[in-house]
Amino acid sequence: NAGVTQTPKFQVLKTGQSMTLQCAQDMNHEYMSWYRQDPGMGLRLIHYSVGAGITDQGEVPNGYNVSRSTTEDFPLRLLSAAPSQTSVYFCASSRAGTVYGYTFGSGTRLTVV
Amino acid sequence: RKEVEQDPGPFNVPEGATVAFNCTYSNSASQSFFWYRQDCRKEPKLLMSVYSSGNEDGRFTAQLNRASQYISLLIRDSKLSDSATYLCVVNLGSTGRRALTFGSGTRLQVQP
Repeated sequence: NAGVTQTPKFQVLKTGQSMTLQCAQDMNHEYMSWYRQDPGMGLRLIHYSVGAGITDQGEVPNGYNVSRSTTEDFPLRLLSAAPSQTSVYFCASSRAGTVYGYTFGSGTRLTVV
Repeated sequence: RKEVEQDPGPFNVPEGATVAFNCTYSNSASQSFFWYRQDCRKEPKLLMSVYSSGNEDGRFTAQLNRASQYISLLIRDSKLSDSATYLCVVNLGSTGRRALTFGSGTRLQVQP
């Protein structure tokens, strides 16, 4: 049971490049989310999904796209990387229902130069 | 005003001490509440959910006060291994869709 797997763990992009951060979970969780964490800012929600085919925007969605074609996968796409997107990105998943907390992946450290 | 507010600390306490953290949230319709622990350069890990009646897990006790919109975490008999950042987490949604909002965290350093 791998839990939530994120790839890559580290990435350096040039301004303007695009890329996809991968997230997969093997716990059959309905809910999945993407967060970014910046020093002094805490974790901020980018996008989330409550099931396959359903996504919604979080607090800081600009510059990012998501899709949820399967229960297991929830990739995050950076459309045109900017230095302001330098951050640590965490993917998380949860069972449906309000009493369950999220399980986080180990994160992707992204630097945009 | 932030939706979830925490004292950033750091809280420096000796081993064996009791320490308490508080967290306030802005949306009275918030549905669920959690404490997470995050070690340096690691992912957040669920410490415990917070229930209206209060709940305890070993040395950790969580309380929820809906009237005053705050959550607390009490750690008794602190260990060196408790040193970490503690994140207060609230589901601010009232529509049933699950999306968590995190406080910025309170840093705890337990000294030998």
